[in-house]
Order: sequence, then structure tokens, then C-alpha cells
Amino acid sequence: NAGVTQTPKFRILKIGQSMTLQCAQDMNHNYMYWYRQDPGMGLKLIYYSVGAGITDKGEVPNGYNVSRSTTEDFPLRLELAAPSQTSVYFCASSYSGGSSPLHFGNGTRLTVT
Amino acid sequence: AQTVTQSQPEMSVQEAETVTLSCTYDTSENNYYLFWYKQPPSRQMILVIRQEAYKQQNATENRFSVNFQKAAKSFSLKISDSQLGDTAMYFCAFMKRNAGNMLTFGGGTRLMVKP
Repeated sequence: NAGVTQTPKFRILKIGQSMTLQCAQDMNHNYMYWYRQDPGMGLKLIYYSVGAGITDKGEVPNGYNVSRSTTEDFPLRLELAAPSQTSVYFCASSYSGGSSPLHFGNGTRLTVT
Repeated sequence: AQTVTQSQPEMSVQEAETVTLSCTYDTSENNYYLFWYKQPPSRQMILVIRQEAYKQQNATENRFSVNFQKAAKSFSLKISDSQLGDTAMYFCAFMKRNAGNMLTFGGGTRLMVKP
């Protein structure tokens, strides 16, 4: 199994550009999450989804959008990129909302200049 | 809202020795879970150990164990017989029960294991 796959691994954007970070999981997990990790810091939740068609904001949602049209995919959209969005982005998934362990992707390093 | 604090930005330990990483948290919840995650230079987030707040017994996973003090809201990680492969960032995390598996992370502790 591939687990949680994130693409791309690295990306450089100019201020004002847009892009979509892709995340796919093949474990039939209901719950999916997007976190960002700023340098030297812990992860902060951007958006999450408890199932296809359902999304909700996390701690730092401004500047981002998500969709969940299928169980497998949970893309994160950045509109009008800003330098403050320079970060490493992690997608994660879990089977249920109990204390099921989160499975993380390997992250996408995004630089906005 | 919950907060998680890791007061040690960096630590080092000699190979084969024992090291303890500190974590405190603040919450008004009674039912929750606590986790330690390891992030090696590869960037992968790896679950090290998990503790349910309703369990008094401290969790143990091989060389990793925790000291969970619920009243003090403290959750430290002890690594015994440290190995070079333990070199990584370590994050403490809090999850409220029945809250969609959302984790609140501490700022991390960078651990260096020296040969």
C-alpha cells in the first residue's frame, strides 16, 4: 500500500500565484487532514474532512480552500499565494474519529517569494 | 482551546544513555489522548507512543515510555538505550476525545543522539 501520497514534494510560487497541493490515500480512511509546519514549529491544522462531501476549518484556514469529492482525495488549494504561506504542508488520514492513529504523507515544501 | 508546551527546544544524549523529553498541556477536557510523534530529517511524521487519559498506567513501547501525570497536566517521554536513529524532532500532541482526531501539537524538541 502507498498510504498517504502527497504531490508535489517541493514547489516555489511567486506572490499572487495559485496552486493545488494533491493528497491521496488508499487505505479507505474516512478522515483526512491538512496541516502546515512552519520552520522550528509544530503542526497546525488548516482544514479537515470527516468524509466525502464534508469539510471544516481548522486552526489556520485563511488563504486556503479544500474539497472532498471522493474518499481517496483531499486537495488543498492556495489562492493568491503570500510569503506567509511558505511552509511544509502535511496531509494525513485516519480510519475513524476515535483515537485511530493518523497516517501522514511525506509533506510538500512550499516557498512563496 | 488546548495548548501544548514543550519547554526544551534542543537536547542531546550520548548513545546508549537515557533521555527524558518534557511536555505540558492545558485543557479543561477530561477525556483525551496524548501522543508523541517523531520527525526524522526525512520529514516523515512517525507515531512513537499514545496514552489514553482515562488510563492510569503509563504507556510503554519498547525503549519508549511515558510519565503521564494527569493532575499536573504533564506528559514526558523517556527514551532508554538511545540509538543514533533516535535523532529527530519530537512533538507532543493532544487530541480531545470524539473531536474528529484533530491534533494540537507542541513546538517540538530537537534531539541529537551522539556517538
